[in-house]
Amino acid sequence: QQQVKQSPQSLIVQKGGISIINCAYENTAFDYFPWYQQFPGKGPALLIAIRPDVSEKKEGRFTISFNKSAKQFSLHIMDSQPGDSATYFCAASKVNSNYQLIWGAGTKLIIKP
Amino acid sequence: KAGVTQTPRYLIKTRGQQVTLSCSPISGHRSVSWYQQTPGQGLQFLFEYFSETQRNKGNFPGRFSGRQFSNSRSEMNVSTLELGDSALYLCASSPQGGLLEQYFGPGTRLTVT
Repeated sequence: QQQVKQSPQSLIVQKGGISIINCAYENTAFDYFPWYQQFPGKGPALLIAIRPDVSEKKEGRFTISFNKSAKQFSLHIMDSQPGDSATYFCAASKVNSNYQLIWGAGTKLIIKP
Repeated sequence: KAGVTQTPRYLIKTRGQQVTLSCSPISGHRSVSWYQQTPGQGLQFLFEYFSETQRNKGNFPGRFSGRQFSNSRSEMNVSTLELGDSALYLCASSPQGGLLEQYFGPGTRLTVT
């Protein structure tokens, strides 16, 4: 009930293409779904997050799509750039509770120039 | 504002030894959380401290312990090190705790031989 499954484990995309990373969760009580970006030698940094009252949230080239009935959410990176090459983590939890973030295993994204 | 700082950045220890890692949160942040990051496992939550009190704890053995000082700086201690403790240990600070505003440090890379 506490797992967040992330796929793919690694992804290679051509510059200018669309990168798509998927996550699935089990606990229907979860109501907070962030994505973090981590560059080598750095800690993760919050990229974008969504609550289940909306099905999509867009910030610049980054979009989260959320499907509550399927218990899935995904990150889309439009017009992918070499500077987007990083490891991306999805996570899930319940705000206003004692829950901590449950993290996906990460996706290593490489954007080829 | 200066970000979250962690010391040391790299550490090599031998099985059976103990180690202490340090984290200085962003000025004004009262909550410090610790995570273990291993390849393919994502981030595993260790514990959270808020105003010198442990507020939340993950599923790690008692060999992992922590504390927080009155200036919000935190230390994490691992006793009787095992090979499986080799990992990147990340510290995150937030103003009031909780999930919505965590800022991560660069981590301490611990290698146990």
